[in-house]
Amino acid sequence: EVQLVESGGGLVQPGRSLKLSCLASGFTFSNYGMNWIRQAPGKGLEWVASISSSSSYIYYADTVKGRFTISRDNAKNTLYLQMTSLRSEDTALYYCARHDYWGQGVMVTVSS
Amino acid sequence: DIQMTQSPSVLSASVGDRVTLNCKASQNINKYLNWYQQKLGEAPKLLIYNTNNLQTGIPSRFSGSGSGTDYTLTISSLQPEDVATYFCFQHNSWPYTFGAGTKLELK
Repeated sequence: EVQLVESGGGLVQPGRSLKLSCLASGFTFSNYGMNWIRQAPGKGLEWVASISSSSSYIYYADTVKGRFTISRDNAKNTLYLQMTSLRSEDTALYYCARHDYWGQGVMVTVSS
Repeated sequence: DIQMTQSPSVLSASVGDRVTLNCKASQNINKYLNWYQQKLGEAPKLLIYNTNNLQTGIPSRFSGSGSGTDYTLTISSLQPEDVATYFCFQHNSWPYTFGAGTKLELK
């Protein structure tokens, strides 16, 4: 069974950093491109970043480019999202996802 | 960036109705269009990938069609458990983009 389990969320002050993790199981992680997608409270879905299976290709939404870094460790079956210079508008539920399977999400709240 | 416009934003229908949800891209997305269903408090679930391919385990009352810039999700006979918000998603080119969603309610 495919499972994606996010962790690392929480309450953080504006301007600070946070690193999210996503532990994958039930499939060969190193064969798949992965994504981070977020959803602000009561709002729609926003694609944040993608990384190819071997980390050769990485793409970001303009809203996070230069502040967020997506990475992966295929030996640990783990996807990461390093978030810096956080803003209140980054407050959202962050999902780790293949296109066909999503985790349950981890909440990030940016507030003083 | 490719903009995805969904219509209507809210749809009220009765059990058994045939329901059609629309998604229009601002440019050709070559059928790289997925549909997701999100129920309240849950993660999105993939229904249809690449325009018209039914994801494993999804009931056959769901179907997708389209090409170029115009895409449609159809529910042939609405069931109570279909109450949800539906999002289209283009993965033809980066940045990937979602539509704003159609909220499907029971009349």
